[in-house]
Amino acid sequence: QVQLQQWGAGLLKPLETLSLTCGVYGGSFSGYFWSWIRQSPGKGLEWIGEINHSGNTNYNPSLKSRIRISVDTSKNQLSLKLRSVTAADTAVYYCARLPRWSIAFDIWGQGTMVTVSS
Amino acid sequence: EIVLTQSPGTLSLSPGERATLSCRASQSVNSNYLTWYQQKPGQAPRLLIYGASNRATGIPDRFSGSGSGTDFTLTISRLDPEDFALYYCQQFGSSLYTFGQGTKLEIK
Repeated sequence: QVQLQQWGAGLLKPLETLSLTCGVYGGSFSGYFWSWIRQSPGKGLEWIGEINHSGNTNYNPSLKSRIRISVDTSKNQLSLKLRSVTAADTAVYYCARLPRWSIAFDIWGQGTMVTVSS
Repeated sequence: EIVLTQSPGTLSLSPGERATLSCRASQSVNSNYLTWYQQKPGQAPRLLIYGASNRATGIPDRFSGSGSGTDFTLTISRLDPEDFALYYCQQFGSSLYTFGQGTKLEIK
């Protein structure tokens, strides 16, 4: 049973960098794309970006200038960094697995609430 | 960017009734890339339907998906009390994933 476990800081000040990590347990890391998705009351569900085991990335153009997604295959982990956060970045952040054959997010992490406040 | 509009915003029904949820796209969507999720309070979304009409593993057969082009539908044939939740559609196109704003299915 594949599980995704997330961790990272939940309270940030404006202009700081959001940093989250997602560990993949009980399954293969390769052969999938791994995404970060966020959910806020104002904007609903928003896809942030994805990466595969080879480090190939694809980012949402609306966030591309501020984000970096990386992978550590030795640890089966992916990470998200979002620079210069504002209150608009306050959201629950999820990591999720996407098999290319289904193009659907089939397994999700538990979610991390990130609040940006001065 | 393809915008997905879900209707109605809220659907009030009773257990045992049939639910029909709509997802309309601003331009044509590849049916292979249209997905439905269910979300309950405090939980991550759960995959229900992928490829517009394929049930995910473990999803009861009372859930079905249909549609093509710009109009897609999620149908729940007979509502179970556990089905009252939020439902989202999602698509992939032009290297971008987008979600609808959701339909809340509530007990009447």
